[in-house]
Amino acid sequence: RKEVEQDPGPFNVPEGATVAFNCTYSNSASQSFFWYRQDCRKEPKLLMSVYSSGNEDGRFTAQLNRASQYISLLIRDSKLSDSATYLCVVNPRSNTGNQFYFGTGTSLTVIP
Amino acid sequence: DTGVSQNPRHKITKRGQNVTFRCDPISEHNRLYWYRQTLGQGPEFLTYFQNEAQLEKSRLLSDRFSAERPKGSFSTLEIQRTEQGDSAMYLCAGSDQRGTIFGSGTQLSVL
Repeated sequence: RKEVEQDPGPFNVPEGATVAFNCTYSNSASQSFFWYRQDCRKEPKLLMSVYSSGNEDGRFTAQLNRASQYISLLIRDSKLSDSATYLCVVNPRSNTGNQFYFGTGTSLTVIP
Repeated sequence: DTGVSQNPRHKITKRGQNVTFRCDPISEHNRLYWYRQTLGQGPEFLTYFQNEAQLEKSRLLSDRFSAERPKGSFSTLEIQRTEQGDSAMYLCAGSDQRGTIFGSGTQLSVL
């Protein structure tokens, strides 16, 4: 089983729509969670960290459900510039390793 | 320091040749990672350094791959006897308590 699983999409939504992505992780001891954004042929860039209490940054809301081991990202009022691949990232921070595990990414295209 | 820089940005090589990539993280980055990313996939972990010590290596890092970080600053990733399956984007990331930043990557094409 993969450490992190995401629906690859693609998600094609009109401008102004609300879209949500989910991701599941397999290691129940995982401690740090992130959403990264990756534009075509560019490096991943941190969008936001995901905290247990949930967190919001403008139009973006991230939530963590430890019991079900999933992470979500909600984008409200989608803009054309939101078109990108969104990567779910988990860092177990265990004594067996310190690597980041990435999902395959979810592709989003916002249509005018 | 403006970010994590990687060189070269692109590398085209013939099968069987050796290639070396360089990563220069921000000076405060005590942790450094190498990842590999192929089209349609997320980045896959290759190796991790804490300062100059290589603390983790993925099973993906075959004997043809070697990474170094001799002074705990820049790092190099060498691939010997390249194969077509090595074609990918090789990403370096630097990390400290403030977070993790990726470089722009080196796109390797093995012909």
